[in-house]
Parts: sequence; structure tokens; C-alpha cells
Amino acid sequence: DTGVSQNPRHKITKRGQNVTFRCDPISEHNRLYWYRQTLGQGPEFLTYFQNEAQLEKSRLLSDRFSAERPKGSFSTLEIQRTEQGDSAMYLCASSSLAGVQSLDQYFGPGTRLLVL
Amino acid sequence: AQSVTQLGSHVSVSEGALVLLRCNYSSSVPPYLFWYVQYPNQGLQLLLKYTSAATLVKGINGFEAEFKKSETSFHLTKPSAHMSDAAEYFCAVMETGANSKLTFGKGITLSVRP
Repeated sequence: DTGVSQNPRHKITKRGQNVTFRCDPISEHNRLYWYRQTLGQGPEFLTYFQNEAQLEKSRLLSDRFSAERPKGSFSTLEIQRTEQGDSAMYLCASSSLAGVQSLDQYFGPGTRLLVL
Repeated sequence: AQSVTQLGSHVSVSEGALVLLRCNYSSSVPPYLFWYVQYPNQGLQLLLKYTSAATLVKGINGFEAEFKKSETSFHLTKPSAHMSDAAEYFCAVMETGANSKLTFGKGITLSVRP
């Protein structure tokens, strides 16, 4: 079990640029979640997938944000035309579908985005 | 809508002292409740969870939490703090049913003095 991995770990970009983050979940996990964490706050839910289907999106996810999970494996989160307010830690988590174990979300180390 | 309140942003205890981190929740349906810990430069790690099976839940590293419906609370405790417990702790709620998103509190930073 290699855990949830996220790449890159750090990203610095200029306002207006597009960025893309990748998340590789634990291999047998069907569910994948994206959260955003700003300084001094707890993580906030952005969206989640069950296999390749995107089942819920937060109102925090403006039309500049898009997430995909092709083939139900890894996921990407893209932010277009970045703004300084997008600076945050972007966290990915995964969980299985199996009963009570489905409640356990395993988090990756996050991608820290800084928009200059 | 569900929400979590973690009063205060920082708790400091002496090594060997009782750790008590408070969490109150609001939920329109019976909730699942969680405590996560985040060490510097690491991802969140699940400490324990309440799923209605038992009101007193034991987790990893000697932590436990008690679900009190009448007080809408899920406080985290550890009898004796260790230096390695210094980290940020987040309480989270998940509504039962199909929705599986976590709603987190703001977190509490625990410092342990030698």
C-alpha cells in the first residue's frame, strides 16, 4: 500500500496562468475526493468521484475549476486563469466502497499552490 | 446543513498532562464524526471515528473520544500527552446517507511543553 500520492507537491504560478494537479489514489479505492485548505482553516470539500463519475461539486468550485477521473483511476484538478485567492493547499483523499471502511478517507500530502 | 465548531485555535499542555480538545457539531441527521491529525508537511491521518456503534471510541496513539448527543459534542482526549502529539487536530462530520463529504472544523494546534 503506497498511499495516496499527489503531484506536484508545490506549484508557484503567475496570476492568469493555468495549473493542473494530479492525484493517484490507493489502488483499490473507488471513491476520490478533492478538498482545499487555506491557512488557518480546515479542509473544505470541492468535489468527489465514484469510479469515473463526478457525483458532487461544491459551490466553491467555480467554472474556472475542472476535475476529471478518466477510467476511474488517477484524477486531475485544473484551475484556469488562476487568481491570488486560489493560493491554498489542495488535498486529495480516497476511500473504498466496502461498508464501514468506506467512511475512512485516506489523504495525500497535498499540493501547495501559490499564485503571484 | 452540517457544521463543526472547534473553539480556540491553540492548546498547550505539559508532557504527561491530560489532553482535551473540544468539538461540537451541528447536523440535521445522525452524523458520523471523525478526528484527524495533521503533522507538519504531512497529510491528514485518521485518529478515530464514531459510527453509532459505541459512544466511546478508541483510536490510535492512545486517543479516545466520546459522542454525547445531548451536548452535540465529540471531544478528543488522551490521558497523558507525549511530545510527539504536537500537531494540528481537526474534527469533522459526515452526514449519514449517500453524501460522503467531510465537513471540517478550523482545527486546533496542540503544543506539548517538556
